Amino acid sequence: QKEVEQDPGPLSVPEGAIVSLNCTYSNSAFQYFMWYRQYSRKGPELLMYTYSSGNKEDGRFTAQVDKSSKYISLFIRDSQPSDSATYLCAMKVEGGSYIPTFGRGTSLIVHP
Amino acid sequence: DVKVTQSSRYLVKRTGEKVFLECVQDMDHENMFWYRQDPGLGLRLIYFSYDVKMKEKGDIPEGYSVSREKKERFSLILESASTNQTSMYLCASSGLAGMGYFGPGTRLTVL
Repeated sequence: QKEVEQDPGPLSVPEGAIVSLNCTYSNSAFQYFMWYRQYSRKGPELLMYTYSSGNKEDGRFTAQVDKSSKYISLFIRDSQPSDSATYLCAMKVEGGSYIPTFGRGTSLIVHP
Repeated sequence: DVKVTQSSRYLVKRTGEKVFLECVQDMDHENMFWYRQDPGLGLRLIYFSYDVKMKEKGDIPEGYSVSREKKERFSLILESASTNQTSMYLCASSGLAGMGYFGPGTRLTVL
């Protein structure tokens, strides 16, 4: 079992839909949770990060962490064609190794 | 704004050539990383560095070496390029909390 699991998709939704992207993980020591957006042929861009449990909101994006279920989500409201990209989750323990563990990414397609 | 820059966006080299990929960050980050990204395989860590002159092997270090002589600069070296090293190479940097920032990537083709 991989440490971080992420469905590769593609996930195809109509413009305006609410999108839910998810990752599950096995290491209960993870404390930092990050979401990256990667457009085709570009480097990943840090979208949001949270520490420990709870929600964080930034415009149309909400990141949610459920440590009891070892499950994190990224919600996108009012999705736009410009949101079409691959979304990668990443996680890191506090202290110790500086190396984050990445999911393989979910491809999202928002069609007009 | 954090900036991580990479020396080339696209590079074409011949088998057996020595290849240098350079990465520079402007945020005074301690940690720097080199990844390669291939379809279906996700991000794979080649090497990382947590301080000047310090380096540690990642998951796939074979065929690569690195150099970090200054805090802001981290170089990836392919000693003798091979066709199976054709890939997208991504540099990243992070502070102590670990929120990594990536460069734009170098798409390397080895013929």
